[in-house]
Order: sequence, then C-alpha cells, then structure tokens
Amino acid sequence: KQEVTQIPAALSVPEGENLVLNCSFTDSAIYNLQWFRQDPGKGLTSLLLIQSSQREQTSGRLNASLDKSSGRSTLYIAASQPGDSATYLCAVQLSDQNFVFGPGTRLSVLP
Amino acid sequence: EAQVTQNPRYLITVTGKKLTVTCSQNMNHEYMSWYRQDPGLGLRQIYYSMNVEVTDKGDVPEGYKVSRKEKRNFPLILESPSPNQTSLYFCASGRRTMNTEAFFGQGTRLTVV
Repeated sequence: KQEVTQIPAALSVPEGENLVLNCSFTDSAIYNLQWFRQDPGKGLTSLLLIQSSQREQTSGRLNASLDKSSGRSTLYIAASQPGDSATYLCAVQLSDQNFVFGPGTRLSVLP
Repeated sequence: EAQVTQNPRYLITVTGKKLTVTCSQNMNHEYMSWYRQDPGLGLRQIYYSMNVEVTDKGDVPEGYKVSRKEKRNFPLILESPSPNQTSLYFCASGRRTMNTEAFFGQGTRLTVV
C-alpha cells in the first residue's frame, strides 16, 4: 500500500531564507506528484504538478523535483516571505485521480 | 471563475441526525471525490466518482454515502453521524485524464456531538 511521508512536520524560518521541504513515497508506480498549499480555513491550492516522466517543475519562487526511482520529491522555496506561511502537502496520483496525501509540513516564515 | 463549492462550511450536529454536505463544480469535470482530513492522519479518500452514476469506495467509506446524479454535483451523506466522523471534509474534482490538476473546495468542518 502506498504511503507518503513528509519531513519536517513543522518548520520555522526567518524571512528571506531558502528552504526545502521533503516528501517520500513507498511505491514508485505513480502517475504524477502534486504539491499543494493549505491555508487555515481554506481549501487546498495546487502549486506544482510533476508528471512521472518529468524531473522537475518550476513556478516563480517554487521548484519541485521528482526522483521516482528513489521515491522522493522536494519542494524548494526561494527567498521565503511571511505570505508563504501555510501547510504544504504532497500527494501522489496512483490512478484515475486517486491521490494519496502526505501529512504535510507546517511552515512559518517570520518577518 | 473555476471553482469547487462546498456547503456548509461549518456544521455542528448531534449523533444520529442525518446530514448532507453538498459539493458542486463548474468545470465540467468527470471526476469528483471526497476526503476527510484528521490531525496526524492527513487526507484520506472517502468516495470518488469517475462520472455520472458511477461511484466507488475510497480508503475510509464506512458511515458515508454519496450519489452522482448530475455531473456537477457530488453530495456526501452521513445517514447516522457519530462523533468519530468529526473532521474537516474536502471535495475535489478533476478531469479524468491523467496528469491534470485536482481542484479542491474550501472544506467543511463538521463536529458531531
């Protein structure tokens, strides 16, 4: 059964730092991996989707990489800002939009 | 604006009183799904639907029902809610093809007392 873990569970950094969030999954048979952002009281917002054939995706200050064979993905956030404070979830798509989510990393960026 | 809309956003109810959480999407997506989110357990899939009149169980379907009579709507029904169904619920939709984004609603916080 596919399991997804995320490290660290929580992270607090000063504004301006570059940071890396980690996601690991146990079964490499995935269609894609998506990173989401969750703000308190709000839904999930898709940040980046990496297809299984891709190695990385970039959007603004965000860069996500995927190493399917080793079951790992990282989300890199450059020059962090207080507005980046949120919970970041990674999810692997197994089939037909069936996702398995990690527990999330709670990020606080201090001004 | 493309969106997934859930109602209500917050609900407090008593054990055993039937309730329905509605979910509607305006993107003509074939796929819709319900998740619950609990501390330490992450999001877990309850039910999903690949198209109208087609529904399947996810990882935690016990105590829930769904229906998909129209493409845009996918209500979640709790026939006899219990306190262990207190949770944050999310509805999601997407196109059926692989490698496309999933869109999530804003969540429904349900408390069963």
